[in-house]
Amino acid sequence: NAGVTQTPKFQVLKTGQSMTLQCAQDMNHNSMYWYRQDPGMGLRLIYYSASEGTTDKGEVPNGYNVSRLNKREFSLRLESAAPSQTSVYFCASSEVPGGALRNEQFFGPGTRLTVL
Amino acid sequence: GDSVTQMEGPVTLSEEAFLTINCTYTATGYPSLFWYVQYPGEGLQLLLKATKADDKGSNKGFEATYRKETTSFHLEKGSVQVSDSAVYFCALSGGNQFYFGTGTSLTVIP
Repeated sequence: NAGVTQTPKFQVLKTGQSMTLQCAQDMNHNSMYWYRQDPGMGLRLIYYSASEGTTDKGEVPNGYNVSRLNKREFSLRLESAAPSQTSVYFCASSEVPGGALRNEQFFGPGTRLTVL
Repeated sequence: GDSVTQMEGPVTLSEEAFLTINCTYTATGYPSLFWYVQYPGEGLQLLLKATKADDKGSNKGFEATYRKETTSFHLEKGSVQVSDSAVYFCALSGGNQFYFGTGTSLTVIP
């Protein structure tokens, strides 16, 4: 039982390049999330998918797109990377969307992205 | 909207000292409250949680009580160890999302 996995672990891009961050979970969770973590800013939600087939914007969606490929997989795409997107990206999943009783999130190990 | 405010760090303590990290929240409805811990180079792990008022979450010697009257969920530990050095995040779940504080970095020195 691997939990939440993310690939790659590290990535360096040049400004304007594109890339896709992959996330998969094996807990049969309905909801998945993408966050970015920056020093002094905590975790900020980029996009989330409350259930398979749905996606919604979070706090900081500009410059990103997402795809909920199936129940297990939720990818994050940077179409034209900018230095402001240098960050650590975390994927998370939960059994149901955030507010449900006794719900909790499980996190992947993160992707450290540098945009030059 | 829903939000979490937690004590700014960094916090440096000697081993066996008492730890308190303050967390207050704003929410509509009745959220669940969480403390997550992040060790260097890793993702966040759930430390403890509480799902209703007056519930106490506890794990690994850490405790936090869900106080509706003061909208707080302060994290405490009676005697910290060097291995507790990490970043701690307070969070709440509401609507379709989770809301996190900015994190408090704790360093415990021998």
